[in-house]
Amino acid sequence: DGGITQSPKYLFRKEGQNVTLSCEQNLNHDAMYWYRQDPGQGLRLIYYSQIVNDFQKGDIAEGYSVSREKKESFPLTVTSAQKNPTAFYLCASSNSGLNQPQHFGDGTRLSIL
Amino acid sequence: AQTVTQSQPEMSVQEAETVTLSCTYDTSESDYYLFWYKQPPSRQMILVIRQEAYKQQNATENRFSVNFQKAAKSFSLKISDSQLGDAAMYFCVTSGGGADGLTFGKGTHLIIQP
Repeated sequence: DGGITQSPKYLFRKEGQNVTLSCEQNLNHDAMYWYRQDPGQGLRLIYYSQIVNDFQKGDIAEGYSVSREKKESFPLTVTSAQKNPTAFYLCASSNSGLNQPQHFGDGTRLSIL
Repeated sequence: AQTVTQSQPEMSVQEAETVTLSCTYDTSESDYYLFWYKQPPSRQMILVIRQEAYKQQNATENRFSVNFQKAAKSFSLKISDSQLGDAAMYFCVTSGGGADGLTFGKGTHLIIQP
């Protein structure tokens, strides 16, 4: 079945540690996105990528980094510079072109130890 | 910049009845789309319905329909014959003419009373 796989489902970070969230898609989508969701809030865009080896900052990119070395993969690193990383993180992908609907993974819950 | 406002943090409806969720938005884009996404307790984000801003006809998907008022920048979702499986957070979402992701409202928690 085609879809988006995020791993791990739950992740814990120690103070000063970088952690990486995985996102893989087999939908052959060109575009991929990372969102953060806080309790009682909608999603906010962290980073997005329209093609391999290119990505753009979203609304809340500070303290995060990404790479897009393969079309299928768009990992997100939460760095120690992100002072409030506890949140639910969702990865999405879509076809290229204007306003294509996005397909979402099941998310990763990140917590601080 | 785009903003989306959902003024109803929570709504409750009896099973089999009809409920309408409100949404207003603001955008400077001339070409944009509007969406309603559903997030059940499993946290998965599911597309419910999509509306192209240039189309006057309101979108419909089975029991789900929208009332799109472009001049008023209003985009409400009507759910007919509510079912227990409709219980979820519902997010009103806009996308602009570019490729910079979606703008989400804060959501409306829909409760279905059996």
